[in-house]
Order: sequence, then structure tokens, then C-alpha cells
Amino acid sequence: DAGVIQSPRHEVTEMGQEVTLRCKPISGHDYLFWYRQTMMRGLELLIYFNNNVPIDDSGMPEDRFSAKMPNASFSTLKIQPSEPRDSAVYFCASSPSGGETQYFGPGTRLLVL
Amino acid sequence: TQLLEQSPQFLSIQEGENLTVYCNSSSVFSSLQWYRQEPGEGPVLLVTVVTGGEVKKLKRLTFQFGDARKDSSLHITAAQPGDTGLYLCAGAPTTGNQFYFGTGTSLTVIP
Repeated sequence: DAGVIQSPRHEVTEMGQEVTLRCKPISGHDYLFWYRQTMMRGLELLIYFNNNVPIDDSGMPEDRFSAKMPNASFSTLKIQPSEPRDSAVYFCASSPSGGETQYFGPGTRLLVL
Repeated sequence: TQLLEQSPQFLSIQEGENLTVYCNSSSVFSSLQWYRQEPGEGPVLLVTVVTGGEVKKLKRLTFQFGDARKDSSLHITAAQPGDTGLYLCAGAPTTGNQFYFGTGTSLTVIP
């Protein structure tokens, strides 16, 4: 298996622009997680899905952030409008079932100027 | 809310030394995981502990879950440069299917 795939790997954008991060989970995994990692706050859970349904989005920082999972093989995390404080590494992870091993993607490094 | 505190935050040691990393919380967890993350990559699972007092060994790494399931430790014997990385603990609350990650310990092993 190719593992969790994320794109783009790097993104540089200007404040106010829309940013869309993409994730393809491991086939057959029922859970998908979006995390944000910064030096100051560590690895924070933003939202997770079970069978394409959002279960807990309490970690989404503001209404500027939204996430969708239209099918079992694809998810997006969108930031609109982006701000410099959104600069971070965003990870997607998938898991075969709840409370099990999470398999992380390589992350998307986002820089908002 | 940061539920898990790790210490130390940074650790730099010589090859061959032993070290212990701690993960503490005031919350009870149904299970606890340890991950290692290398630069430019996502975290990779090392071990999962589920029973209070449980000890698991993975070659030179020894993991222990506290009796009350609120804390954990990771001990590395005879550290090697390949052990360098960010070590993260992650706890699963008694309800829900997510894990909350600790603050992380950045380990550097100097040859």
C-alpha cells in the first residue's frame, strides 16, 4: 500500500488567499484525522471522520477552516481566507478503526505570508 | 486544551547513554501510544499500552503505563544516533475514538 498521501507537500500563499489541502487515506481505513503541528502548540487534532462523516470538529480553530470527506478515498481541509498564523505543518492520518494505530501522511508545510 | 505534558522538552545526549522521557496527565486514558517523528515526516507508531502497570519492550526501548493510566514513560538504553527524533505520547480518552498528543520530546543523540 502507498500509505496516506497528502498534497501539496509545500504551499506558500499570501494572506487572504484560499488554501486547499488534500488527503487520500489508506484503502479500507474507516477513520480519517486532520492535525496541525506547530512549535508552540505541538500536534493538535482539528477534526476527524468516521465512514466519511465528521464526528468531532471541536479542534477546528475558526470558521475560516472547513473539512470535507466526499468519499472514502478523499478528504480536503480548506482555509478561507488564510492568515499568517495559519502557517504550520498539516497532517492527515487514517486508522482502520477507532482507538487503533494511526498512519500519518508526510504532511503539508503551509506558509502564509 | 493540552492534556498531556512531556518532559523533558529537549534532550541532547552522547551515544551509549541511557535516557527516560515522561508523559504525564491528570486525565485517565483507556490506552496510550508512543510515536517517533523524524524531520519532514509524519509520526510513526512505536507501541500501544492499554493496561495499568503494563511494560512493553521494543529492543532497547522500554515503555511503561502508569498504574492509574494517567502517565507513561519511555526508557532508551544505550542510545544510538538513529534514535534521534521527536517522541510523542498520545492518549485515548475513555470516550471517543481520537487521541490527544503530548507536547513532545526532541531527542538528539550525538555520535
